[in-house]
Amino acid sequence: AQSVTQPDIHITVSEGASLELRCNYSYGATPYLFWYVQSPGQGLQLLLKYFSGDTLVQGIKGFEAEFKRSQSSFNLRKPSVHWSDAAEYFCAVGAGRSDMRFGAGTRLTVKP
Amino acid sequence: EPEVTQTPSHQVTQMGQEVILRCVPISNHLYFYWYRQILGQKVEFLVSFYNNEISEKSEIFDDQFSVERPDGSNFTLKIRSTKLEDSAMYFCASSARDGSYEQYFGPGTRLTVT
Repeated sequence: AQSVTQPDIHITVSEGASLELRCNYSYGATPYLFWYVQSPGQGLQLLLKYFSGDTLVQGIKGFEAEFKRSQSSFNLRKPSVHWSDAAEYFCAVGAGRSDMRFGAGTRLTVKP
Repeated sequence: EPEVTQTPSHQVTQMGQEVILRCVPISNHLYFYWYRQILGQKVEFLVSFYNNEISEKSEIFDDQFSVERPDGSNFTLKIRSTKLEDSAMYFCASSARDGSYEQYFGPGTRLTVT
């Protein structure tokens, strides 16, 4: 069965610093991979997705992610974090079936 | 931009009562989903629905839960007899195709069972 692991429960970065959030997945075939962001009390907003093709995908709000099949990873990056990026970030895998499996999330705190 | 809507935004109910959570998916979408997120925990898949029937469900989705698409626009989740542990945020999502494609999430309904 597919699964997603986000090793970092909580990350703190300074505003303007670079960011990388880790995501590892387990699935037998090429999965469909997603990053969602959730601000406090809000729903889930899709940042970016990978289905096939170029392994470096660009998303909204200046985020990008790179699919690395050999490492079963789909890490999220941003070169310069803004205070408004503070939120919970979820990596998810969809397997071409109906359901989507989410990681436990990484909470991002941005220091001024 | 079309979006998924959910009502109510917050529902408080007493243990043992029935609740119905409502969702209006994006109009041309064919696949519908319910997820839940217990406070501080991960988002968990409950059920998917296509062509007027359940296509997949998780172990969480037991006989207390049911889903329905009563008309051409609404998609509902019913919890027949709520338990304290049903307190969570419930998200509805829809997609144009099978889950291999993007799912659009609603803002959620916070259910509090007292």
